[in-house]
Amino acid sequence: GNSVTQMEGPVTLSEEAFLTINCTYTATGYPSLFWYVQYPGEGLQLLLKATKADDKGSNKGFEATYRKETTSFHLEKGSVQVSDSAVYFCALSDLGGGSYIPTFGRGTSLIVHP
Amino acid sequence: DVKVTQSSRYLVKRTGEKVFLECVQDMDHENMFWYRQDPGLGLRLIYFSYDVKMKEKGDIPEGYSVSREKKERFSLILESASTNQTSMYLCASSTSDREGEKLFFGSGTQLSVL
Repeated sequence: GNSVTQMEGPVTLSEEAFLTINCTYTATGYPSLFWYVQYPGEGLQLLLKATKADDKGSNKGFEATYRKETTSFHLEKGSVQVSDSAVYFCALSDLGGGSYIPTFGRGTSLIVHP
Repeated sequence: DVKVTQSSRYLVKRTGEKVFLECVQDMDHENMFWYRQDPGLGLRLIYFSYDVKMKEKGDIPEGYSVSREKKERFSLILESASTNQTSMYLCASSTSDREGEKLFFGSGTQLSVL
């Protein structure tokens, strides 16, 4: 079956530090990969996505590259801000396998200090 | 923009009560989902629905039921609330086309069962 593993948090950084949150996946087909973000007191919202190998998704200064050879989709940002403090979820979707149900990682909490 | 609205942001109920959590989406999406979110466990799928009057069990359906009488509305029912059902409940929706890979979430209902 499909699964997503992401690094445990919390990740604590100072403002302007470089961020990496690791995500690896297992899938039987050719999934699309996603990062969702959950700000305090809110639901999840899509941050970025990539639909095939070597695609790079980007949004709000965040980037992630779909690496089929390492089955990874690590989230990066060059300079984090206090407002980036949130929980980040890696996810995959395998429509090719006939399922509209995405598989989520457990989430990684990011805390950015001024 | 898609809007997924959950009827209550906070809810406090007593053990044994019947609890209804309501979710409405305004974009004519075919698929709707109920998740619960607990610290350290991430998102766990309770039930989902592909169409009106259709429902499928997710990973943790015990103690829950659902109702989808209209396309835009998906209700989660706790037949007899218990303290271990204290959690954040998230509703989501998606289409059945290629864009259905992406989920749209409501803001969540924090349920406390005393």
